[in-house]
Amino acid sequence: QKEVEQDPGPLSVPEGAIVSLNCTYSNSAFQYFMWYRQYSRKGPELLMYTYSSGNKEDGRFTAQVDKSSKYISLFIRDSQPSDSATYLCAMSEGSGGSNYKLTFGKGTLLTVNP
Amino acid sequence: EPEVTQTPSHQVTQMGQEVILRCVPISNHLYFYWYRQILGQKVEFLVSFYNNEISEKSEIFDDQFSVERPDGSNFTLKIRSTKLEDSAMYFCASSEVLAYEQYFGPGTRLTVT
Repeated sequence: QKEVEQDPGPLSVPEGAIVSLNCTYSNSAFQYFMWYRQYSRKGPELLMYTYSSGNKEDGRFTAQVDKSSKYISLFIRDSQPSDSATYLCAMSEGSGGSNYKLTFGKGTLLTVNP
Repeated sequence: EPEVTQTPSHQVTQMGQEVILRCVPISNHLYFYWYRQILGQKVEFLVSFYNNEISEKSEIFDDQFSVERPDGSNFTLKIRSTKLEDSAMYFCASSEVLAYEQYFGPGTRLTVT
């Protein structure tokens, strides 16, 4: 079983739609969960991070973590064409010392059509 | 807003040659990382660096790879003898105290011919 799984899409939605992006994972030691946005041939850009289970909201973006199901989600409300990018989930054990390496999903390619 | 910078943006080299990829992390950050992304594949961890030493490395980071912080601002990745399979985007990242909150540079695209 792969450590982090993410549906690569592509996902195409009309402007204004609510977008749901998801990842599952197998390593129960993961405690920190991040979402990155990556435009073509650019570096990943940190959008949000959450610790353990729960929700976190930042503007149009909401991140959810369900550790019991090993499932994380990113919701984008009122999606805009500028949100078109690849969205990467990433996770870290973060238990101190060296355990801050990020393990990434493969990314979901999102296109928001005007 | 401070950002991680990387040079060069694109490097073409022949198999067997040495390459050095350069990064300038965000100035008050303490943790430094290298990741790579082969075209169409996941971003993969290579190495983390803290307090002037490697804190963790992946299986990919073999004896052909080395990292160095030669001064207070630069962080480099050296590949001693490049292979075709080293062709990838190489990303540098840095983080402050919250080491999981990592900020990535724009990447160096390495092409080995």
